[in-house]
Amino acid sequence: GENVEQHPSTLSVQEGDSAVIKCTYSDSASNYFPWYKQELGKRPQLIIDIRSNVGEKKDQRIAVTLNKTAKHFSLHITETQPEDSAVYFCAARSAGRRALTFGSGTRLQVQP
Amino acid sequence: DTGVSQDPRHKITKRGQNVTFRCDPISEHNRLYWYRQTLGQGPEFLTYFQNEAQLEKSRLLSDRFSAERPKGSFSTLEIQRTEQGDSAMYLCASSVERAGEAFFGQGTRLTVV
Repeated sequence: GENVEQHPSTLSVQEGDSAVIKCTYSDSASNYFPWYKQELGKRPQLIIDIRSNVGEKKDQRIAVTLNKTAKHFSLHITETQPEDSAVYFCAARSAGRRALTFGSGTRLQVQP
Repeated sequence: DTGVSQDPRHKITKRGQNVTFRCDPISEHNRLYWYRQTLGQGPEFLTYFQNEAQLEKSRLLSDRFSAERPKGSFSTLEIQRTEQGDSAMYLCASSVERAGEAFFGQGTRLTVV
């Protein structure tokens, strides 16, 4: 089955700096890659997603890049703000399946 | 609130007891998922419904676990003979189509003592 590795497990940046979180996946048939943000005690919320027919997608301060050949994808947050502090999860879904396979999460702390 | 609703939010039970959780998806969503999340980990897939049909089950879903979605609307997840290892957050999610965004509920936090 699919396996998703996520790095780093914790990331601390100064307010205004950029943050990058990286994930790799194992199943070359995976074609959907969402990123979720989970604040303490709250539900995971989708912040951006990308499909395998696209190499990059951007939404304001957030961008995701996908390298299908290397089977890795990354989340980029620019101009970080304290409210970006949360745990971020990457996920992948294989074609023909319904389940998302999640990474183990990255705890991002933005220092004011 | 028109999001995914889960009940109860918290459940403490003694080992060996049965528990049942409920999930009400977003009304027009015909796809419903159950995930389990332990501290410091990402959600792990348990099972998936399309309307009332349970189409996919994870190996994590042992024979002590059963899920239903009898009318294609709300779903229940039952755990029989609970064990301490069942302590986790149980998350429900729904989506309107397979390729669509999955919206998560707040979860039910189960503690088995």
